[in-house]
Amino acid sequence: DVVLTQTPPTLSATIGQSVSISCRSSQSLLDSDGDTYLNWLLQRPGQSPQLLIYSVSNLESGVPNRFSGSGSETDFTLKISGVEAEDLGVYYCMQATHAPYTFGAGTKLELK
Amino acid sequence: QVTLKESGPGMLQPSKTLSLTCSFSGFSLSTSGMVVSWIRQPSGKSLEWLAAIDWDGDKYYNPSLKSRLTVSKDTSNTQVFLKITSVDIADTATYYCARSCYSDFDYWGQGVMVTVSS
Repeated sequence: DVVLTQTPPTLSATIGQSVSISCRSSQSLLDSDGDTYLNWLLQRPGQSPQLLIYSVSNLESGVPNRFSGSGSETDFTLKISGVEAEDLGVYYCMQATHAPYTFGAGTKLELK
Repeated sequence: QVTLKESGPGMLQPSKTLSLTCSFSGFSLSTSGMVVSWIRQPSGKSLEWLAAIDWDGDKYYNPSLKSRLTVSKDTSNTQVFLKITSVDIADTATYYCARSCYSDFDYWGQGVMVTVSS
């Protein structure tokens, strides 16, 4: 199975601060169809996960543009440009290139 | 408006079979590219993809659990089911169903908590 390693496990930020989360894959997530199926999800406390970014860098409809994704092959980054209070929760990367699909362990974003 | 909602027994005893239902609306599972997956999350832990069924009726399973899982859908394409046989305490989790259209996992249900306990 593909292992996704997220760092840091916990992130403390102030409102307005920009932060980044890293997700490294144990193998390339570039699919034979040319796409890279690496998604970013946010799970707020007591809620279901919600999609933020799909296929590395595509912003899901309705998600604020302070969220951005980048990367390729095995190294990916989620950036939040100016944290807001509603951004607090656990961020997960997930890959849907190789079966079985897998998730990272999560990065908890807290207020400093 | 796309919605998904999971339902299940809440609690069951070890060795029993867990039956879950995902009822959805706002999209058709018969549309090319559409997939409904089951994912679970033990309390305080990360997520685990379990199984999926696509628009063509093809089924996909996590090999780690494959022998215990059966995913299916109803003929009206408005519900997807998951059965897990021989449950034990390790199967205690919140179970989610999620829609994906070409791997984006864009809509999730609210989840259903399942506790395995004697």
